[in-house]
Amino acid sequence: DAGITQSPRHKVTETGTPVTLRCHQTENHRYMYWYRQDPGHGLRLIHYSYGVKDTDKGEVSDGYSVSRSKTEDFLLTLESATSSQTSVYFCAISKGAGTDADTQYFGPGTRLTVL
Amino acid sequence: QKEVEQNSGPLSVPEGAIASLNCTYSDRGSQSFFWYRQYSGKSPELIMFIYSNGDKEDGRFTAQLNKASQYVSLLIRDSQPSDSATYLCAVPNTDKLIFGTGTRLQVFP
Repeated sequence: DAGITQSPRHKVTETGTPVTLRCHQTENHRYMYWYRQDPGHGLRLIHYSYGVKDTDKGEVSDGYSVSRSKTEDFLLTLESATSSQTSVYFCAISKGAGTDADTQYFGPGTRLTVL
Repeated sequence: QKEVEQNSGPLSVPEGAIASLNCTYSDRGSQSFFWYRQYSGKSPELIMFIYSNGDKEDGRFTAQLNKASQYVSLLIRDSQPSDSATYLCAVPNTDKLIFGTGTRLQVFP
C-alpha cells in the first residue's frame, strides 16, 4: 500500500469554525490531490498540487484553501466550515512521470461532520 | 471538459457468474483508463489500468476497450461475494483524473 496517511480520521465541528485536514505521504510523489465524496456525486476534485508551493483549483474549490510547504504534506483548510461541507475527504497522490504517471493512490479518508 | 459516465446500479449477479461493468467517455482522444474498487466506508483502490493498445487481463479481471463506441468495460469472472463494492472508472485529463460516479456491484450467494 502507498504510504499515505490522513489526519484526523474523524472530526465533528460547528458551523463557522476553521478546520484543517492533513495529508502526509512517504512516497515522494510529486502530485497530491484533495477530493470530497458525497452520495450521488462521486469523487469531486477540490484542489491539487503539482509541487511544493504549486497548487491549482479543482471543480469544487469554493470555501477551501490548500497549502504545500513540503513534498510530503498537503493541507486542506476550510476557513469557515458550513454544513454543506459535511463529507468524506480523500487525499490522493501520483508520481506525475513515467509509465504510471497518472495512477492515483488514495489515503484512508477523513469523515467530517459540520453541525 | 471530459466526461465519464457510469450506470449507478446496483448490478446484481449470482456467485460464480461474470459481472460486466461499463464506462463511457466523451473524449475520443483518451488513451488510458483506470478502474478502481471502493468498498463501503473505505477508500478507492486501483484494480487495473488499460492503455489504448488493447484488452488487459489480470487474474479474474479483464478490462476491454472499445474506442469506436467510446466505452471501456471491466469483466469480473467467477464473481465472489467479496467483489461486492462500487467500481469507479477514471480517465486522465492533464494533471488530473476524471472519475465516473461509480457502479455498485452486488454478488449474492
